[in-house]
Amino acid sequence: AQSVTQLGSHVSVSEGALVLLRCNYSSSVPPYLFWYVQYPNQGLQLLLKYTSAATLVKGINGFEAEFKKSETSFHLTKPSAHMSDAAEYFCAVSDRGGSEKLVFGKGTKLTVNP
Amino acid sequence: DGGITQSPKYLFRKEGQNVTLSCEQNLNHDAMYWYRQDPGQGLRLIYYSQIVNDFQKGDIAEGYSVSREKKESFPLTVTSAQKNPTAFYLCASSTQTGVGGYTFGSGTRLTVV
Repeated sequence: AQSVTQLGSHVSVSEGALVLLRCNYSSSVPPYLFWYVQYPNQGLQLLLKYTSAATLVKGINGFEAEFKKSETSFHLTKPSAHMSDAAEYFCAVSDRGGSEKLVFGKGTKLTVNP
Repeated sequence: DGGITQSPKYLFRKEGQNVTLSCEQNLNHDAMYWYRQDPGQGLRLIYYSQIVNDFQKGDIAEGYSVSREKKESFPLTVTSAQKNPTAFYLCASSTQTGVGGYTFGSGTRLTVV
């Protein structure tokens, strides 16, 4: 069965600092991996996805994530945090070619301090 | 532009009432999903449907019901059997392959008064 673990339910960074949100997954087959962002009282918006092409995936708003099979990780990074990045971030996994259902992590709330 | 529309954005329910949350998509997606979101608990799957006239229970289906009579629509009814319905409800859709991920609606916040 697939699972996702997001390390750290809350992460706080200063404006301009590196953002690193951690995601580890468990899957019996090569997975599809996703990062979503949620602003207060809104739905989830897709930031980026990994579906077997390049292992370094670039997304919207300057975010990127690297798929590391050996570490079963898909950490989200951004070189320089902006106040508008404050939101909750969710990592998700699904089986490649199998069930379409995504399994979500519990989320990481990012706070950006001025 | 294509997308998912959830309505209403805010909904208030009295004890013992059934309420129905609307979800409509014009993305031509086959699969649709309902999630419940509570603080600190992430997203929990209530029901999902991969094709018209068929749906399956998710992890927390008790106290909820759905229908899928049209490809575009997947309404969720929160019944009086759901003892703690106050939450944020999210609807999503995807293609059958799921390679593109899910597209989410903007959510409905349900409060019991």
